[in-house]
Amino acid sequence: QSELTQPPSVSGAPGQRVTISCTGSSSNIGAGYRVHWYQQLPGTAPKLLIYDDTNRPSGVPDRFSGSKSGTSASLAITGLQAEDEADYYCQSYDTGLSGSGVFGTGTKVTVL
Amino acid sequence: EVQLVQSGAKVKKPGESLKISCQEFDDTFTNHWIAWVRQMPGKGLEWMGSIFPGDSEVRYSPSFQGQAIISVDRSLRTAYLQWSSLRASDTAVYYCARHIAWKDPLKSWGQGTLVTVSS
Repeated sequence: QSELTQPPSVSGAPGQRVTISCTGSSSNIGAGYRVHWYQQLPGTAPKLLIYDDTNRPSGVPDRFSGSKSGTSASLAITGLQAEDEADYYCQSYDTGLSGSGVFGTGTKVTVL
Repeated sequence: EVQLVQSGAKVKKPGESLKISCQEFDDTFTNHWIAWVRQMPGKGLEWMGSIFPGDSEVRYSPSFQGQAIISVDRSLRTAYLQWSSLRASDTAVYYCARHIAWKDPLKSWGQGTLVTVSS
């Protein structure tokens, strides 16, 4: 059972900005654990999109950005493009799960 | 980017055993963790556990403790996920992924192995 909660879906028109929240608790994000974000296109393996709260791996467009505050984190996509339609997951670690990794519930982004 | 290659799809019956693999083509196999992630049909990602090939330490998520066994063969640079008695609820895609240190992100992923358990 996930300890990180995300909205099931968000949508936006091409060019718009959308944000995805990732709400945790004092045992995961609030404990200072870093948050990572993954993009999963249909039928493919997840891909690292943002790591350590705010950093983009090489090759990830700067349209994607991450932030963190308190027990929550957010992923923002600016200038939404058709190719951004995918599932997005946040991930961190949790002291209440014996320090195990934990994923968010996932958010489906739809480009209208 | 480090390449992780997983074994192919399997169809099994309830009660049967299974071992799937994740082979890494990199000289640093023993210096980082390999995690296993489950994705049931139409559902989200779930962290099952992770192994450090250097000393075979395994850390399971409490939800998956006792459900499957994670192991490694250093000589083959391969991590494994195995079940002794499959259930229909084990039907899922299983991914392996690499993280350098315990709290690091999963930077490299395998292509996934579809396991179907059906009578």
